[in-house]
Amino acid sequence: KNQVEQSPQSLIILEGKNCTLQCNYTVSPFSNLRWYKQDTGRGPVSLTIMTFSENTKSNGRYTATLDADTKQSSLHITASQLSDSASYICVVSAHNNNDMRFGAGTRLTVKP
Amino acid sequence: NAGVTQTPKFQVLKTGQSMTLQCAQDMNHNSMYWYRQDPGMGLRLIYYSASEGTTDKGEVPNGYNVSRLNKREFSLRLESAAPSQTSVYFCASSPYRQVLVHFGDGTRLSIL
Repeated sequence: KNQVEQSPQSLIILEGKNCTLQCNYTVSPFSNLRWYKQDTGRGPVSLTIMTFSENTKSNGRYTATLDADTKQSSLHITASQLSDSASYICVVSAHNNNDMRFGAGTRLTVKP
Repeated sequence: NAGVTQTPKFQVLKTGQSMTLQCAQDMNHNSMYWYRQDPGMGLRLIYYSASEGTTDKGEVPNGYNVSRLNKREFSLRLESAAPSQTSVYFCASSPYRQVLVHFGDGTRLSIL
């Protein structure tokens, strides 16, 4: 079983609407959690990185939350744009080794 | 800045052929990585190089070899390609492990 599970697998929303993507993990002991955006045919690009002590971090219209107690993170996208259509990948790192565990991603499609 | 550059972008091989995927970064990063991305799965680490002169196996190293030619370049070699190695291969780099990772745009490899 993957140590990082993302939901939903795919999501279609209308332009201008908000959405929230989920990431649950079992990686332990926790070091940091990152959200990446991957456009079709491109490599992943970092959106945010969160450490244990951070609950919320924003990057423009993207807001990530972290609950280290329940081992859950979310990525909220506000006022979606067509350019937000991409895969969003959650990556969790552990303290005791150098592993980074990748979720399978959520494929977001924003329609006009 | 180019960031992380991968060549070629696309390649089709026949089973049993060999080839080398090239990767170069211009950010003076110490650590470099090779991942593969398959549909419905998270990126999986093939090999990594924590610093110039060192390489280590990742999660899925079988069938691959790597060379850290210098601080800038990290190549991935398939000695005898198999259909199971059909995938998108991403090279990445970071200043050190566990720090923000920068990805190239991938090499799409098909093995017939």
